Amino acid sequence: EVQLVESGGGLVQPGRSLRLSCAASGFTFDDYAMHWVRQAPGKGLEWVSGISWNSGSIGYADSVKGRFTISRDNAKNSLYLQMNSLRAEDTALYYCAKVRDVLLWFGGFDPWGQGTLVTVSS
Amino acid sequence: DIVMTQSPDSLAVSLGERATINCKSSQSVLYSSNNKNYLAWYQQKPGQPPKLLIYWASTRESGVPDRFSGSGSGTDFTLTISSLQAEDVAVYYCQQYYSTTFTFGPGTKVDIK
Repeated sequence: EVQLVESGGGLVQPGRSLRLSCAASGFTFDDYAMHWVRQAPGKGLEWVSGISWNSGSIGYADSVKGRFTISRDNAKNSLYLQMNSLRAEDTALYYCAKVRDVLLWFGGFDPWGQGTLVTVSS
Repeated sequence: DIVMTQSPDSLAVSLGERATINCKSSQSVLYSSNNKNYLAWYQQKPGQPPKLLIYWASTRESGVPDRFSGSGSGTDFTLTISSLQAEDVAVYYCQQYYSTTFTFGPGTKVDIK
């Protein structure tokens, strides 16, 4: 069974940093692009960042560019999101998601993890 | 960035009736070299992560009931639920993956009338 489990969320003060992790299992991790998507409480979905299977292609939403860094460790079947200079508006549930199709950067996201909650507040 | 809009914001449909959700992109998401529309639809129920329903604008994901269908091309797309069931109450999102910065629509909430 394909499974994605996020961790690392929590309460953090504005301006501080946090590192999210996503542990993948049930599929050949290094064959797939991976993405982070967030959802503020009661709001819609916002794509945050994505990384190709070999880390050769990386993208960020304008709202996080320069502050967040996505990475992956294929040997550990893990995806990461380093979040620096956090703001109140970064408060959200952060999901990791796998691109459906092997080796493609582009495609529908399937499946998604359950998410990890990040709260930025003093 | 490509901006995605959806209409309506919400709709209420009687059980067994058709529900139609529209999605519009600010620029075409049709890739001419392979004639594919880079658009997906998701369903999100309360307290759950989103679930992929449709990809490449009209391809139904495995296990998704055939009452769900996607259509459209270029900038205008539609998700249709042909016969609404109680378990279809959810928020539905479209997403473009044509550009390197993927974007979602604001969502459409579907309820039972």
